[in-house]
Amino acid sequence: EVRLVESGGGLVQPGGSLRLSCATSGFSFRDYSMNWVRQAPGEGLEWVSHISSSESKYYAVSVKGRFFISRDNDQDSLSLHMNSLRAEDTAVYYCVRGFYYYAMDVWGQGTTVTVSS
Amino acid sequence: SYVLTQAPSVSVAPGQTAKMTCSGNNIGSKSVNWYQQRPGQAPVLVIYDDSARPSGIPERFSGSNSGHTATLTITRVEAGDEADYYCQVWETTTNLLVFGGGTDLTVL
Repeated sequence: EVRLVESGGGLVQPGGSLRLSCATSGFSFRDYSMNWVRQAPGEGLEWVSHISSSESKYYAVSVKGRFFISRDNDQDSLSLHMNSLRAEDTAVYYCVRGFYYYAMDVWGQGTTVTVSS
Repeated sequence: SYVLTQAPSVSVAPGQTAKMTCSGNNIGSKSVNWYQQRPGQAPVLVIYDDSARPSGIPERFSGSNSGHTATLTITRVEAGDEADYYCQVWETTTNLLVFGGGTDLTVL
């Protein structure tokens, strides 16, 4: 069974940092691209970042320069380092497996990030 | 930046057909994916590459894409289809992944 399990969410003050992790199992992690997608309370889906199997990295305009995606193919894990956090970064963050041409076929259960003083 | 526009809500009676559209400039030249998100749950991929169904998705779900509009069609709608539906593309000129704002499907 393919599984994605996010961790690392929590309450952080504006300007602070947080590191999200995604532990994966049930598939050959190194062969797949991965994404982070977030959803603010009561809002729609917003893509955050993508990392390809060859480690090309792309970011949404709203997080570029503040968030950094990385992967560890030996540990089958994905990370998102988030710096200079703002109130508008408050959301559920999903770890998502890439599929055919930037579709996303497996989603984790999400981890909640709250940025507030 | 590339924008995908979806109607905020669609209502349909059980057993009828629901059509949800996703509009974007020359979207017909892009590969469109659709996701279903039931309340309190993570999204599920229901259509990829305009019209392909992932394993486990019922044949009642279909997709099309041409010109400036992509469409997700659900035939013989059931109560369990009530959810938010999002379209999504990859914008190659800017390397950005874009979601539509989502359509809330209500089954009357």
